[in-house]
Amino acid sequence: SYELTQPPSMSVSPGQTATIKCTGDKLGDKYVCWYQQKPGQSPDLVIYQDKKRPSGIPERFSGSNSGNTATLTISETQAIDEADYYCQVWDSNTVVFGGGTKLTVL
Amino acid sequence: QVQLQESGPGLVKPSETLSLTCAVSGYSISRGFYWGWIRQPPGKGLEWIGSIYHSGDSYYNPSLKSRVTMPLDTSKNQFSLKVKSVTAADTAVYYCGKLNGGLSGSPPQFYFDYLGQGTLVTVSS
Repeated sequence: SYELTQPPSMSVSPGQTATIKCTGDKLGDKYVCWYQQKPGQSPDLVIYQDKKRPSGIPERFSGSNSGNTATLTISETQAIDEADYYCQVWDSNTVVFGGGTKLTVL
Repeated sequence: QVQLQESGPGLVKPSETLSLTCAVSGYSISRGFYWGWIRQPPGKGLEWIGSIYHSGDSYYNPSLKSRVTMPLDTSKNQFSLKVKSVTAADTAVYYCGKLNGGLSGSPPQFYFDYLGQGTLVTVSS
């Protein structure tokens, strides 16, 4: 089965850029999406089709995908961006999630 | 605006069947799109359970496939999740959602563009 790997945690200072990576075999051949989940809330889609933003998602959120790595970039990170972030793909007729990255803004 | 609401028992005994319903508003499930379930054990990550199309076409997580069914009720605009022979490992917050994307693209993709607020199901005697 296909696997997506994310760092369990990372931290960033307010106003700086956070880059969250997701790796998988030939990941660049698939479309990647990203979810943000804050404590006690359901996940929210923040990026789909590698780099598209749903309506209402700030331009600070951007995505890229090439080779074996997809990246979610959060520019000018704010305290409200502190959350868990999950990457996800569709592979072999299954939805596959990464293990999630806890982003701390401090 | 599509809205989804999960409902069902919050406590299920081991070996019994977990049953949840997802009521959909703002869109008729008979018109299209895939609809599905994910779950999240306490303090852990997201796990996809399965997805179903209005025609009945479905996909399931291989690790759960033998225990899961996802019936649709288009007359009530809702779909359900049934997991049989549950154990403590099935304790989780269960989310229902609408999937966007499709199989016709290159590459194909599916992603959850709407999710319900989730419901905690605890498996315990």
